[in-house]
Amino acid sequence: EVQLLESGGGLVQPGGSLRLSCAASGFSFSSYAMSWVRQAPGKGLEWVSAISRSGGSTYYADSVKGRLTISRDNSRNTLYLQMNSLRAEDTAVYYCVPDTGNDWGQGTLVTVSS
Amino acid sequence: DVVMTQSPLSLPVTLGQPASISCRSSQSLVHSDGNTYLNWFQQRPGQSPRRLIYQVSNRDSGVPDRFSGSGSGTDFTLKISRVEAEDVGVYYCMQGTHWPTWTFGQGTKVEIK
Repeated sequence: EVQLLESGGGLVQPGGSLRLSCAASGFSFSSYAMSWVRQAPGKGLEWVSAISRSGGSTYYADSVKGRLTISRDNSRNTLYLQMNSLRAEDTAVYYCVPDTGNDWGQGTLVTVSS
Repeated sequence: DVVMTQSPLSLPVTLGQPASISCRSSQSLVHSDGNTYLNWFQQRPGQSPRRLIYQVSNRDSGVPDRFSGSGSGTDFTLKISRVEAEDVGVYYCMQGTHWPTWTFGQGTKVEIK
């Protein structure tokens, strides 16, 4: 059974930093590109970032470019999202999703507020 | 960038009646490999999204056969043949053709009249 367990969310002040993690199990993690998708409270789904299977290529939405950094550790089956210079508009539930799109975890809530 | 436009955004339906959601993309979703990576997701209240349909018309495992997807190119449709109470939620179309960027529609809220 595929499991995706996101963690690391919480309350942070504007301008602050957080590091999200996604522990994956039940599938061959290193065989799949991975993405982060977020959902602001009461809003729709927004793709944030993606990373290739090896981690050698990374991609970002314009809204987060230069502030968020995606990475992965295939030896630990874990995906990361380093979030710097956070803004109120980054407040959302963050999901990690394999590029098949057919498995989602419960997400982790990031709240940016003073 | 690809823009995905869903309609309607709100869909009140009577139990047992059919429902239909439209999704249009600003660019063709036919990939160079010949496949069309158009997915439909369901998000029930308080839950994570769940994929229902992949590559336009293929139901995921465990998805009731009252859900069906159709379309091609830039125009796609999700149909529910007979709406049940458990179908209440928000439905999103999503293109995966122009990877690595995924683009979602705005979402269609299905509720019971």
